[in-house]
Amino acid sequence: DAGVTQSPTHLIKTRGQQVTLRCSPISGHKSVSWYQQVLGQGPQFIFQYYEKEERGRGNFPDRFSARQFPNYSSELNVNALLLGDSALYLCASSAERGGLYNEQFFGPGTRLTVL
Amino acid sequence: GQQLNQSPQSMFIQEGEDVSMNCTSSSIFNTWLWYKQDPGEGPVLLIALYKAGELTSNGRLTAQFGITRKDSFLNISASIPSDVGIYFCAGRPGGSEKLVFGKGMKLTVNP
Repeated sequence: DAGVTQSPTHLIKTRGQQVTLRCSPISGHKSVSWYQQVLGQGPQFIFQYYEKEERGRGNFPDRFSARQFPNYSSELNVNALLLGDSALYLCASSAERGGLYNEQFFGPGTRLTVL
Repeated sequence: GQQLNQSPQSMFIQEGEDVSMNCTSSSIFNTWLWYKQDPGEGPVLLIALYKAGELTSNGRLTAQFGITRKDSFLNISASIPSDVGIYFCAGRPGGSEKLVFGKGMKLTVNP
């Protein structure tokens, strides 16, 4: 079975531009979460979406937004890019919204470089 | 953002040696998780712990959920070269799906 897939693999943008990252969850999984991982750090939670609705948000500015589609895939949008947005963006899927044993499985990430 | 206190930050060991790492938090977590991340990849779940005091094994890996619910440790026995990578602890608070991660421990295994 296919795991979580993300596209593109790598992306280079300049300051002020906008970017859209895409994620397809594991088949049958309804929840998608997004994390930002800066080099040398652990992942930081950005959003959780379940059944097309935002169910959780981390401490990120409004430049970050996301949405989930009827097929449970998701997009993360970042506007007005800053140099500090350069990071690995990870998508994780889980079967349900929450609960014990509802673990998250990560995709390979999208490496975003902002110049 | 919030991060767990994970130590040590890195370890260099010989193949066949055991290695231990731990993670502490100022907050209580309902679930503790251990992930491994290889270069250019996303984190892969190794072990999940759901109950205070729980001790769980997965092959050569053993992890424990601390009694206070504020800490966890991971032990790798008889290390092999493919154990190389970055190990992350993560905690999940009650009522939330948000995972809080440690900074990671970089493991190097010399053959």
